Amino acid sequence: AQTVTQSQPEMSVQEAETVTLSCTYDTSENNYYLFWYKQPPSRQMILVIRQEAYKQQNATENRFSVNFQKAAKSFSLKISDSQLGDTAMYFCAFILNDMRFGAGTRLTVKP
Amino acid sequence: DAGITQSPRHKVTETGTPVTLRCHQTENHRYMYWYRQDPGHGLRLIHYSYGVKDTDKGEVSDGYSVSRSKTEDFLLTLESATSSQTSVYFCAISESGRVAFFGQGTRLTVV
Repeated sequence: AQTVTQSQPEMSVQEAETVTLSCTYDTSENNYYLFWYKQPPSRQMILVIRQEAYKQQNATENRFSVNFQKAAKSFSLKISDSQLGDTAMYFCAFILNDMRFGAGTRLTVKP
Repeated sequence: DAGITQSPRHKVTETGTPVTLRCHQTENHRYMYWYRQDPGHGLRLIHYSYGVKDTDKGEVSDGYSVSRSKTEDFLLTLESATSSQTSVYFCAISESGRVAFFGQGTRLTVV
């Protein structure tokens, strides 16, 4: 079964600065999808960004971008110009048939 | 927002009683998932379904069973609830893995 590892339980960043959250995964498959989800205190799961493994180009969504290294099985999330509203838990997820998550990174944006 | 609802949203039950949580979707997505979320563990997959009457176990399936008799409904049953099953439960839906949507979560307390 696929596994997903987020090695940073907690991170903090100053408002307007840039932060990178790490994610690695393990799979023997070639075609799959990777996601980053945000979970604010409301507990709602919000899709931040997605990446198809067959695409070499890194996905970008406004202030959010990923660094997808398929050979290294790495999928990091970069948040630029951090805002107070970015404070949340962030989960990395891998989908092939089932969907597996990392343990999460709690991000705090400080004013 | 995707049409996915969980019921109940909150439940308190006694040890040893059976409990059923319901996930209902209006998107006609093929895949449905049940997760539990506990501090420090992220979202852990309990069971998932890839079609009517087609289900498979996840990483923490002991003590849980599921059923999917219709495309739109995926039921999670705790046959005999234990205190270790106190958690927040999330349902998710996906079509071919391209994107996944989540329900609002069910907080279950076993006393």
